[in-house]
Amino acid sequence: EPEVTQTPSHQVTQMGQEVILRCVPISNHLYFYWYRQILGQKVEFLVSFYNNEISEKSEIFDDQFSVERPDGSNFTLKIRSTKLEDSAMYFCASKRGGAAGYTFGSGTRLTVV
Amino acid sequence: GESVGLHLPTLSVQEGDNSIINCAYSNSASDYFIWYKQESGKGPQFIIDIRSNMDKRQGQRVTVLLNKTVKHLSLQIAATQPGDSAVYFCAENQGTGNQFYFGTGTSLTVIP
Repeated sequence: EPEVTQTPSHQVTQMGQEVILRCVPISNHLYFYWYRQILGQKVEFLVSFYNNEISEKSEIFDDQFSVERPDGSNFTLKIRSTKLEDSAMYFCASKRGGAAGYTFGSGTRLTVV
Repeated sequence: GESVGLHLPTLSVQEGDNSIINCAYSNSASDYFIWYKQESGKGPQFIIDIRSNMDKRQGQRVTVLLNKTVKHLSLQIAATQPGDSAVYFCAENQGTGNQFYFGTGTSLTVIP
């Protein structure tokens, strides 16, 4: 069964450092998403990406965040200057299209110290 | 603001019993709902979905019921197994964009 792959599984970084979280969506999917989940809390939408541009973003997704699809397979989330409160699980998701559910990756646990 | 919420944060059931997990939503414009299962250390996994033009949908051992009148969604798991132990989220598509709004989650523990 096709999977969404995320790397690394765990990232520890110092406050103020830049991090890049990587995702390889399912190959024939067209819509890509980043969500995050702070420990013990609900899954929160960050951003959606379609046709090489951001289609929607939440209030969480401020100027410190950016996304990129540098080639035909990778989808990255960059946090320019990490803060302690950025510590969370970050999930990438993708879907083929239409009003359907999407497939999530296993997540990257980001710990900012 | 709009929200998706769960009535019970934790639920413990005996193996073999049926489980019912509930979810309330507040946006009448929501037209698509998904139940996700999240095991420890993993991403949410799709279980079953339902559109607003339906009130019931069945899968393998799972049934989702939608009551639009009271904006309520439930997930029924038949003959619950230890492998069903996880956190269950309902997620709501509010008819704008493709993002889903997730509830807080219910932790289901199956007692062998």
